[in-house]
Amino acid sequence: AQKITQTQPGMFVQEKEAVTLDCTYDTSDQSYGLFWYKQPSSGEMIFLIYQGSYDEQNATEGRYSLNFQKARKSANLVISASQLGDSAMYFCAMRVQGAQKLVFGQGTRLTINP
Amino acid sequence: DSGVTQTPKHLITATGQRVTLRCSPRSGDLSVYWYQQSLDQGLQFLIQYYNGEERAKGNILERFSAQQFPDLHSELNLSSLELGDSALYFCASSVPTGNNEQFFGPGTRLTVL
Repeated sequence: AQKITQTQPGMFVQEKEAVTLDCTYDTSDQSYGLFWYKQPSSGEMIFLIYQGSYDEQNATEGRYSLNFQKARKSANLVISASQLGDSAMYFCAMRVQGAQKLVFGQGTRLTINP
Repeated sequence: DSGVTQTPKHLITATGQRVTLRCSPRSGDLSVYWYQQSLDQGLQFLIQYYNGEERAKGNILERFSAQQFPDLHSELNLSSLELGDSALYFCASSVPTGNNEQFFGPGTRLTVL
């Protein structure tokens, strides 16, 4: 079975600092995808970034990058130059080959302080 | 805006009742997924439809059912509602190619009193 673990229930960061949100995953499949979503207080789920298990380069999307360490089964999200608008819940998710559903972690609540 | 629409945004009902949640996927997306987000269970996959056919089933209760219509919109039917069914219900859609990232609608917040 697939499992996502996010060990940080909450994080507090000063504005403009970089922040790393941890995500570890467990799967026996060789082919899988890892996703990060942001959920602001308004409730919607916003797709941020994707990393495929065979991708050799770490994924980047603007201020978001994914620190993918396959041997450690970790896929940490790095947000550079944090902004007040980054305050939200962040979810790590995984999809394995042949399955369409996403398996989500419990989330990390990020608070950016001015 | 993800392009996925869900109605209604909020729904308040009583135990034992039946409700229908509606979802319209992004233009061109053939797959629709339903997820439930509750405080105790987190985000859980319920069911997936692809071009009108059920493709995958997750932790969906027998009291719940879904369908996808020829115009690709989907409905999630919840019956004999219990207090524990109170949750945020998301619909997501995706294209069948590429990274298959799923784009989520704004959700329907269901409160069962």
